[in-house]
Amino acid sequence: GEDVEQSLFLSVREGDSSVINCTYTDSSSTYLYWYKQEPGAGLQLLTYIFSNMDMKQDQRLTVLLNKKDKHLSLRIADTQTGDSAIYFCAEKGQNFVFGPGTRLSVLP
Amino acid sequence: NAGVMQNPRHLVRRRGQEARLRCSPMKGHSHVYWYRQLPEEGLKFMVYLQKENIIDESGMPKERFSAEFPKEGPSILRIQQVVRGDSAAYFCASSPDSLNTEAFFGQGTRLTVV
Repeated sequence: GEDVEQSLFLSVREGDSSVINCTYTDSSSTYLYWYKQEPGAGLQLLTYIFSNMDMKQDQRLTVLLNKKDKHLSLRIADTQTGDSAIYFCAEKGQNFVFGPGTRLSVLP
Repeated sequence: NAGVMQNPRHLVRRRGQEARLRCSPMKGHSHVYWYRQLPEEGLKFMVYLQKENIIDESGMPKERFSAEFPKEGPSILRIQQVVRGDSAAYFCASSPDSLNTEAFFGQGTRLTVV
């Protein structure tokens, strides 16, 4: 069945780059997504990438997709304290399948 | 165009009571997805509905849980005879169709069973 995996924790210093990694199993996924969830809040769509793309950049966010290895990453440049949150990777076939989330902590 | 609206935002129920969670999709959206997030965990798919139809309920517990999306009105997730383990955040998402690139999520309903 479909499965999405992520490392659970990441700590970086303010101003550094953060890289959050994700692996997935469903090779038929057309789109792959990154969502952000702040404490007690809902899900905010950060960005998504079509499966025939290798890279997508949107301001401080860069998404890299290695379709052969089924590996997706999210890079946040110049990480700020406001970036502290849980980041979910998700693939979408008929439904969304989410990873367990990576808790990003930004240290001053 | 308001986003996906879920109500109530917080719901407290005693064990054995019923919980009704409502989701009003974005205007023009006829597809609704329900997800459950247990404390400190990711989101798990529960059910996918179109107007008046259940498309995929493979993530729904076999007992006590049901969902509907009537022709008029919001989608309802109903949990009968709630137990402590039902305490979670329940998120709803909507999309215009099954092929759309993204689904828009509501703020969630946080259910606490005491």
